[in-house]
Amino acid sequence: AQSVAQPEDQVNVAEGNPLTVKCTYSVSGNPYLFWYVQYPNRGLQFLLKYITGDNLVKGSYGFEAEFNKSQTSFHLKKPSALVSDSALYFCAVRDPRNTGFQKLVFGTGTRLLVSP
Amino acid sequence: DAGVTQSPTHLIKTRGQQVTLRCSPKSGHDTVSWYQQALGQGPQFIFQYYEEEERQRGNFPDRFSGHQFPNYSSELNVNALLLGDSALYLCASSPQDRGRTGELFFGEGSRLTVL
Repeated sequence: AQSVAQPEDQVNVAEGNPLTVKCTYSVSGNPYLFWYVQYPNRGLQFLLKYITGDNLVKGSYGFEAEFNKSQTSFHLKKPSALVSDSALYFCAVRDPRNTGFQKLVFGTGTRLLVSP
Repeated sequence: DAGVTQSPTHLIKTRGQQVTLRCSPKSGHDTVSWYQQALGQGPQFIFQYYEEEERQRGNFPDRFSGHQFPNYSSELNVNALLLGDSALYLCASSPQDRGRTGELFFGEGSRLTVL
C-alpha cells in the first residue's frame, strides 16, 4: 500500500529566506505525487504535481518541488518565503495502478510558519 | 466559474444521530470523492463516485454511505454518529477524462461536531 511521510510537524523560516518542506513516499512503481496547501478553516488548494518527466516541477505561487526517485522524496521548495505562505502543507501520493484514480493518500501535514 | 461547493459549512449533532452532507462539483467535473480530515491529521479517503456508482472505498465502516445524482452532485451520509466522527469532511472533484494524472479540486469542507 502506498504511504507518505512528512517528518516535520512544523517548519519555521524568516521572510525572504528559502524554505523546504520535506516529503518521502512509498509506493510500488512510479508514483504520482502532489502538494496541497490548506489555510485556516479552508479546503485544500492544489500547488503542483509530478507525473513524469523533468524531476523539478514548478507550481503555483512560486513553489517548486524536486522528485528524487532514489531517495523516494518529493520536497517542496521556494527560493524566498513570504509571510503569506504560512499555512499547512500536505504531500500526497496516488498509485498510478489504482483504478480508483481519485484516491490520494496524504501525509499528516507540515505547518509552515514564516516570520517577518 | 464556481468551484466545489459544500453545505452545510458547520453542524453539530449528538451521538447516534444521522447526518447528510452535500457537495456540488466544479463545473465540468463528473467525478466526486469524499475525504475525512480529523483534527491535526491529513485527509483520509472515504469513497469516490462516478456515473452515480461508488467506484472505490477507503477503510470506513458501512455507516458511511453516499450517493451521486445525475447532475454529478453528491451526498455523504453518516449513520449512528460516534464522537470519533467529528471532523472536517472534504469533497473533491475532477473530470474523469483527466484520469489518474489530474489534480483534485477541493471544497472548503463541512465541519461536523458530534457531542
